[in-house]
Amino acid sequence: EADIYQTPRYLVIGTGKKITLECSQTMGHDKMYWYQQDPGMELHLIHYSYGVNSTEKGDLSSESTVSRIRTEHFPLTLESARPSHTSQYLCASSGTGVQYFGPGTRLTVT
Amino acid sequence: AQSVTQLDSQVPVFEEAPVELRCNYSSSVSVYLFWYVQYPNQGLQLLLKYLSGSTLVKGINGFEAEFNKSQTSFHLRKPSVHISDTAEYFCAVSEVGNDYKLSFGAGTTVTVRA
Repeated sequence: EADIYQTPRYLVIGTGKKITLECSQTMGHDKMYWYQQDPGMELHLIHYSYGVNSTEKGDLSSESTVSRIRTEHFPLTLESARPSHTSQYLCASSGTGVQYFGPGTRLTVT
Repeated sequence: AQSVTQLDSQVPVFEEAPVELRCNYSSSVSVYLFWYVQYPNQGLQLLLKYLSGSTLVKGINGFEAEFNKSQTSFHLRKPSVHISDTAEYFCAVSEVGNDYKLSFGAGTTVTVRA
């Protein structure tokens, strides 16, 4: 079954640690996206990718970085986590105009 | 630039009553419009979309929405809600030719009471 996966679902980590949030999709979509969502708030686009080796920053400035080495994989990395990075991170992919979302990763930095 | 305004932050409603969630957008070009639903601790699920064609769009779970270009609106309706419809609802817009990048509204929390 075609789907989009995110791991871990929940992560509690200390300040200064390096973290990578994983996102994978089995739908063969070229376009992939990362959104940040604070509790009770709207989603803000922080990164997107048109395809392999293509990444762009989104509308909301973020200290995170992304890579796209394989079509199905779009990981997000924070080199040094801070409490201000506490949020929910949602990954999505799109093939023909509709974005399909993963379940999200809820990150808490203590 | 595109933007979305959801006019109601919270909508309480009784079970089996109708509900309408209001969404207005701003854009200088043609748009695609979407409604997503988010249940607690989950990602977003697509309810319905308007890409072209008929302005009345039917989606999953009995929801429908009408695209009104002159009023730049895309309101979501359901004639009879269930307890299971309790969730957060997001309206989103994507400008045609903008690589399907979405701008979201702030969301509307629907609470269905028995």
